[in-house]
Amino acid sequence: GAGVSQSPSNKVTEKGKDVELRCDPISGHTALYWYRQSLGQGLEFLIYFQGNSAPDKSGLPSDRFSAERTGGSVSTLTIQRTQQEDSAVYLCASSLNGDRVGNGYTFGSGTRLTVV
Amino acid sequence: GQSLEQPSEVTAVEGAIVQINCTYQTSGFYGLSWYQQHDGGAPTFLSYNGLDGLEETGRFSSFLSRSDSYGYLLLQELQMKDSASYFCAVRVPYNTDKLIFGTGTRLQVFP
Repeated sequence: GAGVSQSPSNKVTEKGKDVELRCDPISGHTALYWYRQSLGQGLEFLIYFQGNSAPDKSGLPSDRFSAERTGGSVSTLTIQRTQQEDSAVYLCASSLNGDRVGNGYTFGSGTRLTVV
Repeated sequence: GQSLEQPSEVTAVEGAIVQINCTYQTSGFYGLSWYQQHDGGAPTFLSYNGLDGLEETGRFSSFLSRSDSYGYLLLQELQMKDSASYFCAVRVPYNTDKLIFGTGTRLQVFP
């Protein structure tokens, strides 16, 4: 597609439920990233996929968080047993060859997750 | 540790010039990028400095001094639509493409 697509755009869930957030990167982009942004805050790195390499999971805040990327394209971020502190906007981004040559990331519009 | 510090808020009037600073305490980084984010919107890529010096893109310029651990974004001929949050970001460690973002600066442009 023309841009990075994320779904759903908004998600309200009850504490303790599992949620899945989806990201469709730009076709041909080998790198895919997930970030989290709390209200009025900066972007917190969660996980990074590059081609067929093992993902960099160093930013995942707990073992309740996991992500996968199927076929080098679509990615799903799963949060199990959601907690109220998980409420945030989850942003996905993709990049042609990473940031190494200053291509920059293209971000999706995000999924606003509210845990009640 | 890794941290990129930015002023939390900057205000200016239309037509003015504003500089948003980014100072960092991190090791092994490579490249300084800037992103713009309007309220409720997605961050969008503005500029990239791989080497020391000034990069110019229209009304926006970005500067990097690795020896001083310092960079800035310069916005000229400010317009109301420039009101947004601006984030600096660096890639750490240098051999990955993972960006670490700064704390963000909210720019408000007044008529």
